This record gives sequence, structure tokens and C-alpha cells, in this order.
Amino acid sequence: GAGVSQSPSNKVTEKGKDVELRCDPISGHTALYWYRQSLGQGLEFLIYFQGNSAPDKSGLPSDRFSAERTGGSVSTLTIQRTQQEDSAVYLCASSPRTRSIQYFGAGTRLSVL
Amino acid sequence: EDQVTQSPEALRLQEGESSSLNCSYTVSGLRGLFWYRQDPGKGPEFLFTLYSAGEEKEKERLKATLTKKESFLHITAPKPEDSATYLCAVHHRDDKIIFGKGTRLHILP
Repeated sequence: GAGVSQSPSNKVTEKGKDVELRCDPISGHTALYWYRQSLGQGLEFLIYFQGNSAPDKSGLPSDRFSAERTGGSVSTLTIQRTQQEDSAVYLCASSPRTRSIQYFGAGTRLSVL
Repeated sequence: EDQVTQSPEALRLQEGESSSLNCSYTVSGLRGLFWYRQDPGKGPEFLFTLYSAGEEKEKERLKATLTKKESFLHITAPKPEDSATYLCAVHHRDDKIIFGKGTRLHILP
């Protein structure tokens, strides 16, 4: 079946612009995670959605970052007033339940000029 | 502070030369330790889950083991196609997930 899909695969934007990154999880997966991966670094947790519970936003680095998950499926990560330090690969993962195997998308490579 | 540390950062091996990658952790209330493989330009791909000390899992040339403080990913007689970054992730009791920075493994033919 289809895996986790992320779009766009690449995004180049100018400093100060807003960007939206999209994640389509595997159908039926209740948990959805966003991570940021900078060059040579591990995965930095950003936000976690589990079913209808309030999301865990503890990893969001600033109030310029926000995310929503509509209808328990598709998620959008929004970065407002992008800065050069926001340049990274943004990865989305879904899992059938919490503490379970995560299935990752291929990521969105964001470049802020 | 909860931490996951992977070593070495990078490892170059000749084809057939066995070795081990380390993942040491200090977390409160381990709920599971996961190993993933990540190829360039792709998202991580699941390899193993370990839940309790003494547990071992095997898949082809890879074997993962777990103690109370660390996990090892043993690779036996590796092939060039095993070249990738190997990531360790820990789930702990607050349902937080912490990833290590990974080990970049390069197998020379």
C-alpha cells in the first residue's frame, strides 16, 4: 500500500516568507510526527499528534512554527517569516499507535535564501 | 537530562569486516529502543525494536542487542549495500522520542 507522502519534496523560499509543508500519513495510522533534520544532525522532534488528543508541541523551536492535522489524517507544518536557520529537511512519520514503529516520508528539503 | 548518544559518528569498513555500532542512552523509563536505517535523500526505514534488557533481534547480516544502558547493532560480513546512516531512537515513559545523531557506515568493496 501507499506509504507516507510529503510535498513538496523541495522548497526554496526567501527569508521572511511563509511556507507550508504537507504530510499524508498511511491510512488508519493514528499517530503523526514531524521532525527536522539538519545536515549531519539527528532527527529533532517538533510536534506529535495522537488521535483526537491535544498535540504535543513541546519540540517546536519558536512561535513561528505551527502544525495542524485535519480530520485525523493530513497534516500541515507552517513556518512563518522563515529564517536561514530554518533550512533543513523536514520529515513526517506516522505510526498505527503510540510507541510503535514509525513510517517515514522522504521529507521536504527547505532552503531559505 | 535524557540523552541518546551514538558512536562512532562514522565508520568505514572493508567488505566482509564485521563490527558493531553503539547507542547509549540515559532516559527515564525506557519504553522501547528502535533502530532505523537511512539512505541519502530518503526517510529512515525501520529495522528493529527492542523492549527489555537481554533482548536480541536479527535480520540478515544485522543483529541488535539491548542492555540497561546501551544497545549494539552488530553487522556481520557487511556488503557495500549495507552502507547507510543507522539511527537509534528511544521512546521513554512520557511518550517522548529521542533520536541519536546516527552512525554513517561506509562499506568499501
